[in-house]
Amino acid sequence: LAKTTQPISMDSYEGQEVNITCSHNNIATNDYITWYQQFPSQGPRFIIQGYKTKVTNEVASLFIPADRKSSTLSLPRVSLSDTAVYYCLVGHLLTGGGNKLTFGTGTQLKVEL
Amino acid sequence: SQTIHQWPATLVQPVGSPLSLECTVEGTSNPNLYWYRQAAGRGLQLLFYSVGIGQISSEVPQNLSASRPQDRQFILSSKKLLLSDSGFYLCAWERDRQETQYFGPGTRLLVL
Repeated sequence: LAKTTQPISMDSYEGQEVNITCSHNNIATNDYITWYQQFPSQGPRFIIQGYKTKVTNEVASLFIPADRKSSTLSLPRVSLSDTAVYYCLVGHLLTGGGNKLTFGTGTQLKVEL
Repeated sequence: SQTIHQWPATLVQPVGSPLSLECTVEGTSNPNLYWYRQAAGRGLQLLFYSVGIGQISSEVPQNLSASRPQDRQFILSSKKLLLSDSGFYLCAWERDRQETQYFGPGTRLLVL
């Protein structure tokens, strides 16, 4: 299973762009990269998913280099409400169907005024 | 649109008592379903997953069991709770092999 490594914490200010990088050196050919956001006492919320190059949606961008051994979540113009834990995950297909997401400890992002 | 429900939201149980947590999904059919547990300050640990009615796979040996009596219902159970069963339990669903899992609101379990 691909293990992910990301910074434990990051600090930012409102209006800044935040980039969180995750390494996943042993990612397999068919694995996707997914990022989740989690607030205290809530379930993780899906942010973005990608396989290679760049993916963008209404809340974030995901940059994946050609070797796919790392990925960077980019949050444009963060606000106080973006203070949360961000998880980088690599999915692993399970025998018989399903997809195992291995969660690490995530990155605690703190946004201040 | 799809929604996922979990109940209860919070539960305090004595050691040795039984447990039943329920998860239901609306707005989709034949989803893959998952149970995770999150200890304080930690990431999520996959406990069980199911790709169909009556099909349960366990990822971690433990004091818990899971059942899927209906297509969109997933139940987590225990006959006798241990202190170590305390945690935040999350249910998630996924369209077959689409690899995006959507999580429910969670159940906070405290075993005393």
